[in-house]
Amino acid sequence: EIVLTQSPGTLSLSPGERATLSCRASQSVSSSYLAWYQQKPGQAPRLLIYGASSRATGIPDRFSGSGSGTDFTLTISRLEPEDFAVYYCQQYGSSRPLTFGGGTKVEIK
Amino acid sequence: EVQLVESGGGLVKPGGSLRLSCAASGFTFSSYSMNWVRQAPGKGLEWVSSISSSSSYIYYADSVKGRFTISRDNAKNSLYLQMNSLRAEDTAVYYCARYPPSAEDVWGKGTTVTVSS
Repeated sequence: EIVLTQSPGTLSLSPGERATLSCRASQSVSSSYLAWYQQKPGQAPRLLIYGASSRATGIPDRFSGSGSGTDFTLTISRLEPEDFAVYYCQQYGSSRPLTFGGGTKVEIK
Repeated sequence: EVQLVESGGGLVKPGGSLRLSCAASGFTFSSYSMNWVRQAPGKGLEWVSSISSSSSYIYYADSVKGRFTISRDNAKNSLYLQMNSLRAEDTAVYYCARYPPSAEDVWGKGTTVTVSS
């Protein structure tokens, strides 16, 4: 099983600041099959990034993903008020089980 | 509009059973693998089960193996999760989602399962 460790657990930032979220895998994620989701209370997860760096349809370009192998990063270049939420990474390669990280909460400072 | 709508959740006693359904619309359901993902109250996301487009490949999380059964009916554009021998720790919101994640990602809004006496 590939274990995904997200850090930090909570990120306290102000609107307009840059957010950098980390996702580290216990073994290499095949073909960069790594996704990032945003989730707000009472809502289903919303896909932001797939394939480690490709933005899903309708996702603003302030969201970007990077990384390969075991180290991946989600960057939000300038936080908007609607970006304060919980973010999850997920590996979805051929390895089962599919796994999610524990999440990073981005909160208003 | 591309859409997934879950149903079938509710309150059930430990040891009981429930069958969840997920109705798909707006895309060619039979071309896609599908997942069930759950989220316990106040917790993170947990993958539960996957099924390939033709039902040839099926996978389960260890936590549900032997108790849950995933299936699909491509003629009815529907995905199912039969849940037996339910435990308190199965209490969660259950989401269906298209797999793999892609530019046009699709998740349902979820259905709530509560296992309690």
